[in-house]
Amino acid sequence: GEDVEQSLFLSVREGDSSVINCTYTDSSSTYLYWYKQEPGAGLQLLTYIFSNMDMKQDQRLTVLLNKKDKHLSLRIADTQTGDSAIYFCAESGPAGGYNKLIFGAGTRLAVHP
Amino acid sequence: KAGVTQTPRYLIKTRGQQVTLSCSPISGHRSVSWYQQTPGQGLQFLFEYFSETQRNKGNFPGRFSGRQFSNSRSEMNVSTLELGDSALYLCASSLEGGLDTQYFGPGTRLTVL
Repeated sequence: GEDVEQSLFLSVREGDSSVINCTYTDSSSTYLYWYKQEPGAGLQLLTYIFSNMDMKQDQRLTVLLNKKDKHLSLRIADTQTGDSAIYFCAESGPAGGYNKLIFGAGTRLAVHP
Repeated sequence: KAGVTQTPRYLIKTRGQQVTLSCSPISGHRSVSWYQQTPGQGLQFLFEYFSETQRNKGNFPGRFSGRQFSNSRSEMNVSTLELGDSALYLCASSLEGGLDTQYFGPGTRLTVL
């Protein structure tokens, strides 16, 4: 079945780059997403990538996709304290239905001075 | 454009009761999906509605049900509440579902005592 895995914690110094990694099992995954959740809030879509792309850049965010290894990463450049949150990787595809997002457990990013 | 709104934001119920949660999608969006978020199970897909019809369903018991109205607003109902139903319930809307990006509301925090 579909599964998405992420490391649970990441701590970085303010101004450094953060890299959050994710692996997924469904080779038919079509869309891969990164969502951000701040305390007490819902999910904010950060970015997404189609499975036929290798990379996508959006301001401070860079998404890299290695489809062969089913590995997705999110790089945040110049990480700020406001980036402290939980980051969720998610996938969707024809197996479960494009509208059904399968989420990882989330990576808690802590940014310290 | 206003975002996805969910009411109420917080709810406390006791075991055995039932509860109804409401979601108003972004104007023009016709697809509404519901997710349950718990510390133990993470984010799990409940169901998706489009044009007043349930189009996809996750692996939840029949106590969890939903509906969608002609204005695309959606409600979900949980009957015979159990302690394990305590969770953050998130609603997401998209234009047509499928490959369209989903935008999440702030969620309803349900506590079952």
